[in-house]
Amino acid sequence: EPEVTQTPSHQVTQMGQEVILRCVPISNHLYFYWYRQILGQKVEFLVSFYNNEISEKSEIFDDQFSVERPDGSNFTLKIRSTKLEDSAMYFCASRKRELGEKLFFGSGTQLSVL
Amino acid sequence: TQLLEQSPQFLSIQEGENLTVYCNSSSVFSSLQWYRQEPGEGPVLLVTVVTGGEVKKLKRLTFQFGDARKDSSLHITAAQPGDTGLYLCAGAGADSNYQLIWGAGTKLIIKP
Repeated sequence: EPEVTQTPSHQVTQMGQEVILRCVPISNHLYFYWYRQILGQKVEFLVSFYNNEISEKSEIFDDQFSVERPDGSNFTLKIRSTKLEDSAMYFCASRKRELGEKLFFGSGTQLSVL
Repeated sequence: TQLLEQSPQFLSIQEGENLTVYCNSSSVFSSLQWYRQEPGEGPVLLVTVVTGGEVKKLKRLTFQFGDARKDSSLHITAAQPGDTGLYLCAGAGADSNYQLIWGAGTKLIIKP
């Protein structure tokens, strides 16, 4: 079965540093998402992306966050100046078409901000 | 703000027993999905229910969407140790085509 690939699997950074989390969605998918899951808490929606622009974003996705699809395959999440509370597992997901189509998740990037 | 309350948070039972996990909300969802998540992995979709009252079966797992599309249940018959894992429900809000509202998850342990 096709997979969503995320790199790195673990990222440790100092507070205030910039991090870029990378995702390669499934090749024929059109809708891309970032979610995060703080240890012991619910999965939280961050942002959705379609047709090279953000479709929706949550309150978590403030000015410190940005997403890009720099080429035909990668989808990145950048955090400009990391905070301790950004420590979480970040999941990328993609789907082929509208809601109702299966959402495929990557294995996640565990971000630790020290 | 739409919320999904999932219960129980933790369940440990013997192999062969039946169990039900619930997701409840005061809000209407356009669809509801059930996922299973293994440690260190992303959630994997089990099923999507769309129509009020819909029932879907996946082997020993039965998923039901409430008539009013505000709640859902997952029933496992004759649980097996291989069913052990974290089960998550996630609802698509009536006012959003992209966001998913997530339950907190049910950690299920099936003892041999």
